[in-house]
Amino acid sequence: IAGITQAPTSQILAAGRRMTLRCTQDMRHNAMYWYRQDLGLGLRLIHYSNTAGTTGKGEVPDGYSVSRANTDDFPLTLASAVPSQTSVYFCASSVEVGNTDTQYFGPGTRLTVL
Amino acid sequence: QKEVEQDPGPLSVPEGAIVSLNCTYSNSAFQYFMWYRQYSRKGPELLMYTYSSGNKEDGRFTAQVDKSSKYISLFIRDSQPSDSATYLCAMSAHSSASKIIFGSGTRLSIRP
Repeated sequence: IAGITQAPTSQILAAGRRMTLRCTQDMRHNAMYWYRQDLGLGLRLIHYSNTAGTTGKGEVPDGYSVSRANTDDFPLTLASAVPSQTSVYFCASSVEVGNTDTQYFGPGTRLTVL
Repeated sequence: QKEVEQDPGPLSVPEGAIVSLNCTYSNSAFQYFMWYRQYSRKGPELLMYTYSSGNKEDGRFTAQVDKSSKYISLFIRDSQPSDSATYLCAMSAHSSASKIIFGSGTRLSIRP
């Protein structure tokens, strides 16, 4: 069982280019999330999906889009990358345990936009 | 002012020491409190979860929540070099993970 896989592991991208970060989970969790992690700012939610077919905006959604065609996959697309999108991106999924959601994170994608 | 404040460290202590990691917050509606551990170049993993006030113990780890002071702590007893990581506090007013606010993390190093 792999849990959550992300691809690519790292990427250097020219500004203005389109990029899709891939995320796949094999735990059959309904909810999935995309975060970016920047030094001094912690993890910030970009977009989330509570179930296949639905998506929602997080704290920092501008410049990013997501889709959730099925339970397992939750790709994040940068339509036209800018240097401020240089960050480490984490995908997560969650399952309800007790009275709260427990999140599981992928290994991350390091993205550099030049 | 950030909703959740966490000293970034780095914090360096000798093996065997008791470590205290802390976060303060401003939103009195927060009632779900979490600590995540993140090793270098890895994703965060949930370490401790506490609902409302009080203490919770799990092996060498104790999570403490003081809602009156808006202050949470994570204590690590008998610290080991394998505890060297970044520790993120996180909290939410709702059970949904889409509402979780993370601290910026404290980098901890345990010296052998």
